[in-house]
Amino acid sequence: AAGVIQSPRHLIKEKRETATLKCYPIPRHDTVYWYQQGPGQDPQFLISFYEKMQSDKGSIPDRFSAQQFSDYHSELNMSSLELGDSALYFCASSPDRESLSGQYFGPGTRLTVT
Amino acid sequence: EDQVTQSPEALRLQEGESSSLNCSYTVSGLRGLFWYRQDPGKGPEFLFTLYSAGEEKEKERLKATLTKKESFLHITAPKPEDSATYLCAVRGFNQAGTALIFGKGTTLSVSS
Repeated sequence: AAGVIQSPRHLIKEKRETATLKCYPIPRHDTVYWYQQGPGQDPQFLISFYEKMQSDKGSIPDRFSAQQFSDYHSELNMSSLELGDSALYFCASSPDRESLSGQYFGPGTRLTVT
Repeated sequence: EDQVTQSPEALRLQEGESSSLNCSYTVSGLRGLFWYRQDPGKGPEFLFTLYSAGEEKEKERLKATLTKKESFLHITAPKPEDSATYLCAVRGFNQAGTALIFGKGTTLSVSS
């Protein structure tokens, strides 16, 4: 079965640089979520999109922005990177806005900021 | 404030030794409790969704149950391949509409 695809899988950036993470949801899933997971931490919700519109917003820094495109893929743009941004970034998708069927996570992008 | 607490933080079992993981939650109006399995460096793998007290769901050696204040993930006769971190998450009426609030997880190690 098709799963959520994230790219790149690993990314190394320096402080103050920018990064773009991409997420391709499971086909026919119209809702996308972004989570950040620091070392040894639980996933923290950043932002979500439903039908290409921002749905909910969590603890996403102002330096970050995201959008969902017409083909439902999503991109998380991160600027002025800080050391503390080093984490695993997960994208999840759901076939319904209420996540009644669960949220299905991708393999994650490991971002390292040096 | 919505909150999820999982216990124990870590659990070591011998192969075949059944046990239970606990997830206690505080949420104003539960709109779903979710169990995930996460292997190191990988994304959480969806296991179950529970919606109402008394509900139970099973998958292979795993069985999830739900009461008004907590959920249990029962592992029957575990195998080494069941070793992973098990995450519990909830959705309630207080938090951002569709976001999941996760617990810290229980790291399970099963030795042969």
